[in-house]
Amino acid sequence: GAGVSQSPSNKVTEKGKDVELRCDPISGHTALYWYRQSLGQGLEFLIYFQGNSAPDKSGLPSDRFSAERTGGSVSTLTIQRTQQEDSAVYLCASSLARNRGSYSPLHFGNGTRLTVT
Amino acid sequence: AQSVTQPDIHITVSEGASLELRCNYSYGATPYLFWYVQSPGQGLQLLLKYFSGDTLVQGIKGFEAEFKRSQSSFNLRKPSVHWSDAAEYFCAVVGASGGSYIPTFGRGTSLIVHP
Repeated sequence: GAGVSQSPSNKVTEKGKDVELRCDPISGHTALYWYRQSLGQGLEFLIYFQGNSAPDKSGLPSDRFSAERTGGSVSTLTIQRTQQEDSAVYLCASSLARNRGSYSPLHFGNGTRLTVT
Repeated sequence: AQSVTQPDIHITVSEGASLELRCNYSYGATPYLFWYVQSPGQGLQLLLKYFSGDTLVQGIKGFEAEFKRSQSSFNLRKPSVHWSDAAEYFCAVVGASGGSYIPTFGRGTSLIVHP
């Protein structure tokens, strides 16, 4: 079946512009995660959605970053007033975990490579 | 708080040689542990996982890992490496935090395979 889909695959933007990154999770997956992967770094957790519960935003690095998930499916990560340090690969993942008290391995998309010039 | 250390940034092996990638974690209780592989331009693919039970777990592509509680380690092994195994490998630990299960990843180990 279809995996996690992210778009665009690459995005080049000028410093100060806003960008939106999209994630389509695997159908039926209720948990959705956003991570950021910078060169030579591991994966930095950004935000976690689980069903209709309030998202865990504890990893968002600043108030320029926000994310929403509409209808429990598609998610959009928005970065306002982009800075050069925002350049990274943004990875989305989803899982079958049915509620906050359970865990199921993550399935990752191929990521969006964001370059801020 | 949970954390993961992958002490080796790069590992170089010859094709056909054995491989061991190190992973040490920090977590107060028994964690869930994972290894993922990332090929260039791709997302992460799950290789294997440990939840409980047998401490030696088998994964895809001929990989295995052993959970050693006394050493807080979860090292990844393969008896004979193939050129197609060249990739970035990430170890991850999951523990419950306020009811949220959020994986913490190591910085990754880049595997280079020489012919």
